[in-house]
Amino acid sequence: QVQLQESGPGLVKPSQTLSLTCTVSGASISSGDYYWSWIRQHPGKGLEWIGYIHYSGLSYYNPSLKSRINISLDTSKKQLSLKLSSVTAADTAVYYCATKPNSIYHFDYWGQGTLVTVSS
Amino acid sequence: QSALTQPASVSGSPGQSITISCTGTSDVGSYNFVSWYQQHPGKAPKLMIFEVTKRPSGVSNRFSGSKSGNTASLTISGLQAEDEADYYCCSYAGSSTVTFGGGTKLTVL
Repeated sequence: QVQLQESGPGLVKPSQTLSLTCTVSGASISSGDYYWSWIRQHPGKGLEWIGYIHYSGLSYYNPSLKSRINISLDTSKKQLSLKLSSVTAADTAVYYCATKPNSIYHFDYWGQGTLVTVSS
Repeated sequence: QSALTQPASVSGSPGQSITISCTGTSDVGSYNFVSWYQQHPGKAPKLMIFEVTKRPSGVSNRFSGSKSGNTASLTISGLQAEDEADYYCCSYAGSSTVTFGGGTKLTVL
């Protein structure tokens, strides 16, 4: 059973970079079985796909966020990371990490989510 | 990359069946990678249906999925109080990307 746990600052100032990590247990990041994903949910709103990355290095990002996103893997720490630059209040959201099985398009395991508020 | 269109809300009485639609453009119609997620307040989404019609292990067979043209549907039969939640569809959108629907709030009367 894959388990995911997000962590990071709950408050980020405007124009700064939001940095989150997701610690993985129950699966190996380097197995190649998954794309490791980030999804967010604005307060009271729907889900928005941010992007995902495979152990091979292949990564895909939401075109609307692509210029500000960096997603990376640290296999030694068993972690997935998200960096979102130049944040504004519009980036206030619950951020989830999730797994997408290789070659198919759905998200089967999810973390509990972490709320990030952008405010001065 | 446009969001998929879902009704904002649906409702039904216990024991009834309800259907939630999810309309896209070429994304939904062209690929069999439609999935559905259930989200209770304050909780993470849970995968209920994948590849249009498949149920993950442990998901009740009261949940079923289908697709016709550019519209996918989630049907819940034998509605129960615990089914009250938000439901989201998701589809492959080409170029290795995905897009979500806006979500539907299901109320069990």
